Amino acid sequence: DAGVIQSPRHEVTEMGQEVTLRCKLISGHNSLFWYRQTMMRGLELLIYFNNNVPIDDSGMPEDRFSAKMPNASFSTLKIQPSEPRDSAVYFCASSRDRVQGYTFGSGTRLTVV
Amino acid sequence: KQEVTQIPAALSVPEGENLVLNCSFTDSAIYNLQWFRQDPGKGLTSLLLIQSSQREQTSGRLNASLDKSSGRSTLYIAASQPGDSATYLCAVTDNNAGNMLTFGGGTRLMVKP
Repeated sequence: DAGVIQSPRHEVTEMGQEVTLRCKLISGHNSLFWYRQTMMRGLELLIYFNNNVPIDDSGMPEDRFSAKMPNASFSTLKIQPSEPRDSAVYFCASSRDRVQGYTFGSGTRLTVV
Repeated sequence: KQEVTQIPAALSVPEGENLVLNCSFTDSAIYNLQWFRQDPGKGLTSLLLIQSSQREQTSGRLNASLDKSSGRSTLYIAASQPGDSATYLCAVTDNNAGNMLTFGGGTRLMVKP
């Protein structure tokens, strides 16, 4: 298994632009988490899905952030419009009913200038 | 709301020492607990997963214990090596339908040659 795959690995964009981060779950997994990591705040949970349904999105900073699971194996996190304070590493993680724990992707390092 | 705390926040030891990293959580109703390692600029790698019914798990020089009733887990690293230098994070999955995963702030470990 290729593991959790995130793309792009790095993204540099100008303030105001739309950014889309992508995540492919491990086959058979049904829970998906999006995290943001910064030096100041550590790992912050943004949103998580169970069986394609968003369970808790209270960590999404504001309306500029949105996440979707168009199918059971894929998710997107969109920021529109992006701001410099959104610069961080964004991780997604997946699990199959939490039984085997969670597997993290390699992350997307986002820089908004 | 579950809260996870890791002590110490940073630790520096000479090579060869045995060391213990601590993790505590406020709500003992957990499904499992997972220890991760994160190297600078990299993603999270799962080290050990302990189910709520288990007391400990071992992998090579690593041993993780779980005392659910007291809300504590420890990660023991035997005969530490410079290659063990990284940030170690513990995370608990709550025992509810939502599969919520909550992280501690991490312990940044430096093993000096």
